[in-house]
Amino acid sequence: EAGVTQFPSHSVIEKGQTVTLRCDPISGHDNLYWYRRVMGKEIKFLLHFVKESKQDESGMPNNRFLAERTGGTYSTLKVQPAELEDSGVYFCASSQDGGTGYNEQFFGPGTRLTVL
Amino acid sequence: DAKTTQPNSMESNEEEPVHLPCNHSTISGTDYIHWYRQLPSQGPEYVIHGLTSNVNNRMASLAIAEDRKSSTLILHRATLRDAAVYYCILRDPYPFNSGYALNFGKGTSLLVTP
Repeated sequence: EAGVTQFPSHSVIEKGQTVTLRCDPISGHDNLYWYRRVMGKEIKFLLHFVKESKQDESGMPNNRFLAERTGGTYSTLKVQPAELEDSGVYFCASSQDGGTGYNEQFFGPGTRLTVL
Repeated sequence: DAKTTQPNSMESNEEEPVHLPCNHSTISGTDYIHWYRQLPSQGPEYVIHGLTSNVNNRMASLAIAEDRKSSTLILHRATLRDAAVYYCILRDPYPFNSGYALNFGKGTSLLVTP
């Protein structure tokens, strides 16, 4: 069974440009999460989808970040316009029934974003 | 989620047991104790979780103090592949209000030497 996949693995863009990150969760997982680690900081939660609905977007840093999950399958995270402080590694995770707080989250390998 | 405290780093020799401590003195009666780890250049991965009783799986063992204010992740024979950052995370089993996010904290960086 395929794990969580993310594309691209690396992205280098200039300040002010737009970047779109993609995440394909494990098949059948209704719950999808985005996290990120910016340089020298801890891994921080960004948002949580249940199917196509945003369940919790309390971690989204500002309105330059837009996450979508059309059809409840893959998800995209767009950063527009990108700023230097957006550089870091963006992780996607998925889980089965999120109704309880002990379900394992499966993480992808991450997308390393560098904004110059 | 309640706060956890872990040492910044630990070191172990290969093939020796490793005990990674975690303090969680403000844990609620229903919080689960989860451990994740992040290997270099990879995403985090689940290791183990427990509530009150000690737990074993193919990766590790989890020893939980009787008062639940601390726990220890035990790697019985560390290998070079176990070098990673280990995170102790408390999780509300019914996170309808608190959310489903994992609160990673700083974790413990484990160095395994040959």
